[in-house]
Amino acid sequence: NAGVTQTPKFQVLKTGQSMTLQCAQDMNHNSMYWYRQDPGMGLRLIYYSASEGTTDKGEVPNGYNVSRLNKREFSLRLESAAPSQTSVYFCASSEVPTGTGNTIYFGEGSWLTVV
Amino acid sequence: QKEVEQNSGPLSVPEGAIASLNCTYSDRGSQSFFWYRQYSGKSPELIMSIYSNGDKEDGRFTAQLNKASQYVSLLIRDSQPSDSATYLCAVQYGNKLVFGAGTILRVKS
Repeated sequence: NAGVTQTPKFQVLKTGQSMTLQCAQDMNHNSMYWYRQDPGMGLRLIYYSASEGTTDKGEVPNGYNVSRLNKREFSLRLESAAPSQTSVYFCASSEVPTGTGNTIYFGEGSWLTVV
Repeated sequence: QKEVEQNSGPLSVPEGAIASLNCTYSDRGSQSFFWYRQYSGKSPELIMSIYSNGDKEDGRFTAQLNKASQYVSLLIRDSQPSDSATYLCAVQYGNKLVFGAGTILRVKS
């Protein structure tokens, strides 16, 4: 009963390094999301994919890229990490992107520190 | 800019009391509203959704929606120490779910 699985759980990067956060869901959901959560800021949407083959920017896309590899997988890449990207990252998925009954399920989070 | 506002708290209530959590939102066109609970170091989990004006009850939880006032609230009856968490209000805007910053609830035994 995995749901949404994201890796790695913890990562420390040096400024300027690159890395990819991986996310996979086994619920056959169409839509997937990447959020970041900072103290006092709540969850902010970085990128989302309404369906396989599409991606769109959220509130805070700068410094990130995404790939919807297939229906199951949605990765988030930091090309040149900056200390401002220190955060907790959550991947999420939902069956459909709009309308009522749109329950979003979250992964366990990835704690990223950029030094 | 679509906004969702919550009082950050902490809101402290004694065990057995009613906890009242509030949320306001900026877009009158919003149709779907959610409350998530997040324990420290864990991911958010959905506890209530509401789409129509009025009250919706689920066990000890009641969600209240007033679209005219752009106001959503969550009542927790008979609060327990295990209810201590951050409660996130979320509002659907088109394809996106926008979250408030959350209210910290502390239930004292």
